[in-house]
Amino acid sequence: ETGVTQTPRHLVMGMTNKKSLKCEQHLGHNAMYWYKQSAKKPLELMFVYSLEERVENNSVPSRFSPECPNSSHLFLHLHTLQPEDSALYLCASSSYGGGPYEQYFGPGTRLTVT
Amino acid sequence: AQSVSQHNHHVILSEAASLELGCNYSYGGTVNLFWYVQYPGQHLQLLLKYFSGDPLVKGIKGFEAEFIKSKFSFNLRKPSVQWSDTAEYFCAANTDKLIFGTGTRLQVFP
Repeated sequence: ETGVTQTPRHLVMGMTNKKSLKCEQHLGHNAMYWYKQSAKKPLELMFVYSLEERVENNSVPSRFSPECPNSSHLFLHLHTLQPEDSALYLCASSSYGGGPYEQYFGPGTRLTVT
Repeated sequence: AQSVSQHNHHVILSEAASLELGCNYSYGGTVNLFWYVQYPGQHLQLLLKYFSGDPLVKGIKGFEAEFIKSKFSFNLRKPSVQWSDTAEYFCAANTDKLIFGTGTRLQVFP
């Protein structure tokens, strides 16, 4: 059982569709993250939110749009994606505030862009 | 740029064999180190972590890792693997953000 949940677990979308990924954390953390996991590549950090403010955007294309309405919820809005965007998208959460911290991950959303 | 290297991409072992997975990081300052595991179909879970103090850290399920500062290494070890250890293992280093290696896929055969 994980304290970080993600929905949907699987998503197939066309290149012209608009969809959203949802993440919810039940751990009382104040930082949330989106990562992209592709085969044979390191996890790529996409976005970081701390106290609901975006603190990092790792040169992610604008077709990915994050939203963090509160410290427990994080969304990733998708539109006009490309086939190379197919990957496992992971959400994570942690405490945040200058000290060492570990991140807790959700199960991921397996995205396929057709 | 900061990076984490895992040199073993795919490791195949028989049960009861000993395991050592290599991890090297490139960062000269204070760094926190982690090993995460991803079992088939499951989410990433923390195996163990090093922040400071004793460089030999013990984690869950009999895993341990040794931080060797002079070698910029944080290798993962287990003296006797089990079939249930079949998974993908990721080393990560945290300076101002968490940076992951490419992962090592471990297959353990009965």
